[in-house]
Amino acid sequence: EAQVTQNPRYLITVTGKKLTVTCSQNMNHEYMSWYRQDPGLGLRQIYYSMNVEVTDKGDVPEGYKVSRKEKRNFPLILESPSPNQTSLYFCASRSPVRVNEQFFGPGTRLTVL
Amino acid sequence: GENVEQHPSTLSVQEGDSAVIKCTYSDSASNYFPWYKQELGKRPQLIIDIRSNVGEKKDQRIAVTLNKTAKHFSLHITETQPEDSAVYFCAAQNYGGSQGNLIFGKGTKLSVKP
Repeated sequence: EAQVTQNPRYLITVTGKKLTVTCSQNMNHEYMSWYRQDPGLGLRQIYYSMNVEVTDKGDVPEGYKVSRKEKRNFPLILESPSPNQTSLYFCASRSPVRVNEQFFGPGTRLTVL
Repeated sequence: GENVEQHPSTLSVQEGDSAVIKCTYSDSASNYFPWYKQELGKRPQLIIDIRSNVGEKKDQRIAVTLNKTAKHFSLHITETQPEDSAVYFCAAQNYGGSQGNLIFGKGTKLSVKP
């Protein structure tokens, strides 16, 4: 089954404690991205990756890092989380070479105390 | 870069009525316009999309119209049902561009009252 998976689905942590949210897709998609969703602000892109070892900033990259060492994985790293990073995070993937549906992961609800 | 405005932010209709959500975009190079539906606690999922060479597309009770000159596109839901209640996002993309990022509107919360 074609899918995007994220882990963990829920996370409560404290300010400053480094964390990683994993994202994996099994559709051999070149393009992957991370969004955060906050009430009234919609889906804002954090980082995206056009392919392995190619990443770039989205609209709200401050406080986040990503890596793309393998095509299927695109982890989101918060080196020193702060309360303003409390949000719902979605990973997504699609093929950029033609018009195609963007598939979203199930979401990770992060709370930073 | 592209900017997508979506209105209204909330919409309440009676079951059986029609609902219309409107979006405008700024980049005339955008050529692909999908609509996503997000049910409570779930991920966004594609419900319909339209390319810039088409003015209208229909899928059962859902239709999307595109006016390239005015740079706006709309989602129309007819005969609404309670299960249509969700947040709807429009998006715009230049899929031939160097980045091809999907730019989303802020969403419309649709409530269908039985």
